Amino acid sequence: AQSVTQPDIHITVSEGASLELRCNYSYGATPYLFWYVQSPGQGLQLLLKYFSGDTLVQGIKGFEAEFKRSQSSFNLRKPSVHWSDAAEYFCAVGASDGGNKLVFGAGTILRVKS
Amino acid sequence: KAGVTQTPRYLIKTRGQQVTLSCSPISGHRSVSWYQQTPGQGLQFLFEYFSETQRNKGNFPGRFSGRQFSNSRSEMNVSTLELGDSALYLCASGRTSGGANPYEQYFGPGTRLTVT
Repeated sequence: AQSVTQPDIHITVSEGASLELRCNYSYGATPYLFWYVQSPGQGLQLLLKYFSGDTLVQGIKGFEAEFKRSQSSFNLRKPSVHWSDAAEYFCAVGASDGGNKLVFGAGTILRVKS
Repeated sequence: KAGVTQTPRYLIKTRGQQVTLSCSPISGHRSVSWYQQTPGQGLQFLFEYFSETQRNKGNFPGRFSGRQFSNSRSEMNVSTLELGDSALYLCASGRTSGGANPYEQYFGPGTRLTVT
């Protein structure tokens, strides 16, 4: 079965600093990968997705992610963090057991200090 | 285009009662998935409906059920509520046909269920 690991439960960065959130997945074939963001009390917003092709994908709000098959990773990056980026970030992979099922990581809570 | 809507947004129920949550997907989307989010277990897949048929089901007891209507709106029902059912229930909609990217889904704001 597919699984997603987000090794960092919490991360704190200074406003204006760069950010990298880690995601490792377990999947036999080419995975369908996603990053979502969730603000407190809100639903999940899709930041970006990877299906195939270029391994560096761009998303909304200035985020990008790089797919590295050799490392089974799909890390999320942002060159300069804004205070409004403070939220919880989830990495997800499409499951192979039918339908649209996503398997999520445990999430990384991002705190931005001014 | 309007996003995914979920009603109600907040709900307080007593143990043993039952509850029905509603989800209206994005117009044109025929897939609706439900997820339960709790601090301890994270985001867990409940089930998915596509064209009124359940296409996949997660590892939840039979007290959790759902259905989808011909207009793609979906409801989920939880019977005989337990304290552990307190959670944020998220609905997600997707196209999954007509060239749409597989697994790509958009989430609603969720229904916060508190069982006392």
